Amino acid sequence: EDQVTQSPEALRLQEGESSSLNCSYTVSGLRGLFWYRQDPGKGPEFLFTLYSAGEEKEKERLKATLTKKESFLHITAPKPEDSATYLCAAQNTGNQFYFGTGTSLTVIP
Amino acid sequence: DARVTQTPRHKVTEMGQEVTMRCQPILGHNTVFWYRQTMMQGLELLAYFRNRAPLDDSGMPKDRFSAEMPDATLATLKIQPSEPRDSAVYFCASGFGWIYNEQFFGPGTRLTVL
Repeated sequence: EDQVTQSPEALRLQEGESSSLNCSYTVSGLRGLFWYRQDPGKGPEFLFTLYSAGEEKEKERLKATLTKKESFLHITAPKPEDSATYLCAAQNTGNQFYFGTGTSLTVIP
Repeated sequence: DARVTQTPRHKVTEMGQEVTMRCQPILGHNTVFWYRQTMMQGLELLAYFRNRAPLDDSGMPKDRFSAEMPDATLATLKIQPSEPRDSAVYFCASGFGWIYNEQFFGPGTRLTVL
């Protein structure tokens, strides 16, 4: 059964304390692995798409990496404005999308 | 400032009523997505279009939901008849090119079915 699991469910970091969020996936043929950021009461904000194992993409303090079983979102020296829920999704070769339940990140000043 | 717009922002209706949600994608974008988000199920992709043609709607309950793009500036999502379990926030997103490219989300329509 295709599915995506994110961990941890919630993460509290001190400002400047780097960490990683995990997205484990099992899909029948990965076409794309997507990361989004969502602030409370707002629509998600697209961050990255990764296509194949070994691929990495960066945006400001965020770096996404991909292996054959999981993706990591590394946050380097986070700031309070990085506080949000981070969602990942995997698309299979049947064009179906599977979303994780998200990691709620809180960065404390 | 180009952005995706959705109307209405909030909708309260009674079970059995028809609900129509509208989305205006960013001008020039040719892919449109409909998502649904609830506390229990999280974010789900319902359907998506490219160049106004439906590419996939496998995430959408076929018996009561329908999605269309009458023209390049309007996408609609209809629920008929609505049920309490349809209560959710419905997001529209648009992008350019293929589905792997960046998507821009609208602010959502919060639907409550009593």
